[in-house]
Amino acid sequence: EAGVAQSPRYKIIEKRQSVAFWCNPISGHATLYWYQQILGQGPKLLIQFQNNGVVDDSQLPKDRFSAERLKGVDSTLKIQPAKLEDSAVYLCASSLEGGSGDTQYFGPGTRLTVL
Amino acid sequence: AQSVTQPDIHITVSEGASLELRCNYSYGATPYLFWYVQSPGQGLQLLLKYFSGDTLVQGIKGFEAEFKRSQSSFNLRKPSVHWSDAAEYFCAVGADNDMRFGAGTRLTVKP
Repeated sequence: EAGVAQSPRYKIIEKRQSVAFWCNPISGHATLYWYQQILGQGPKLLIQFQNNGVVDDSQLPKDRFSAERLKGVDSTLKIQPAKLEDSAVYLCASSLEGGSGDTQYFGPGTRLTVL
Repeated sequence: AQSVTQPDIHITVSEGASLELRCNYSYGATPYLFWYVQSPGQGLQLLLKYFSGDTLVQGIKGFEAEFKRSQSSFNLRKPSVHWSDAAEYFCAVGADNDMRFGAGTRLTVKP
């Protein structure tokens, strides 16, 4: 079974530029998550999709971050414009149904550096 | 909302020694409890999870965790650490369709 795929693995941009990350979840998984992991911290949920609908985006900085999940499969997370504090690893995860006890399977992440 | 605390930022143990990583949570009822491991440059991998039943949970790679309701704890243990266990370990709490992660404990293994 293929795992969660993410690209790119690394990205370096200057502040005020835009960037996009892509995620392909495990086949058949209804729920997709985007997390932000700042160095030295645990992952923080940015947005959760159930199929192609948003379940929770309460911690997504909507003035600069956007995400979509077309056709309920893969997803894109965009930052525009980027700030220095956006430097982090962006993790995508998926789960079969999305309940509190559902195991989340994580991709390798995209490490973003904003200069 | 639930919260989780991992009191130890960094732990160093010798190869072959036993390991215990601490995790404390705050929630009004018993939540789902998870331990994940993250190796450098990798995503998180589930080691084990608990919700109900036997309070001693067995996971992958020889890890186990014990749920103690009275202490609101879910500590991770391994009787004999291998050099390949060096990684970052995250405790997580799932409740109300929300998952919260601790800040992590970095494990260093000395030869």
